[in-house]
Amino acid sequence: ETGVTQSPTHLIKTRGQQVTLRCSSQSGHNTVSWYQQALGQGPQFIFQYYREEENGRGNFPPRFSGLQFPNYSSELNVNALELDDSALYLCASSSRQGAMNTEAFFGQGTRLTVV
Amino acid sequence: AQSVTQLGSHVSVSEGALVLLRCNYSSSVPPYLFWYVQYPNQGLQLLLKYTTGATLVKGINGFEAEFKKSETSFHLTKPSAHMSDAAEYFCAVRGYGQNFVFGPGTRLSVLP
Repeated sequence: ETGVTQSPTHLIKTRGQQVTLRCSSQSGHNTVSWYQQALGQGPQFIFQYYREEENGRGNFPPRFSGLQFPNYSSELNVNALELDDSALYLCASSSRQGAMNTEAFFGQGTRLTVV
Repeated sequence: AQSVTQLGSHVSVSEGALVLLRCNYSSSVPPYLFWYVQYPNQGLQLLLKYTTGATLVKGINGFEAEFKKSETSFHLTKPSAHMSDAAEYFCAVRGYGQNFVFGPGTRLSVLP
């Protein structure tokens, strides 16, 4: 157990809908990163939040957005869902100390299927 | 920019045989290197990491990896495979951007 929890574990959405995924970070961690893992591929970095502000973004369109709350939990929102958004979405929790992050712990992921 | 390549999308070994999973990286800054394992329908579990210091890194479940700067490699090994080692393995690099760049993964099968 890493202490990072994600919800829901699975969900099915229709193309064009919107979805919100949630992540509770490990106690004491102030940084949350989100990754998309398509079937048969390695995880791809979506964005990172540090102290409630976006602190880095990968090559994903603006319809992928996020939030980090004062308790450091986080949400990933995806608007106008497309079939290619079907993937496992992983949340990683870490603690930023100075310029560097400590070891990151991953949640179990949310499996999103877009039909 | 950073990138990771993993040679061999699927590797099969017999139980008790040596496991060797290959990883090469590209990084313009001194890299932090990681190996993660993923079991079916689960998240990522850290096997081991290299940050600074000793280039031979030991991890959990008997795995180890050696950082070779001259070869830009970080290959993962285990002397004797066990059935429970069957999983997907990802090599990753982490630089000043703080996010991980993962390789495409290698699926390890262990044959009885």
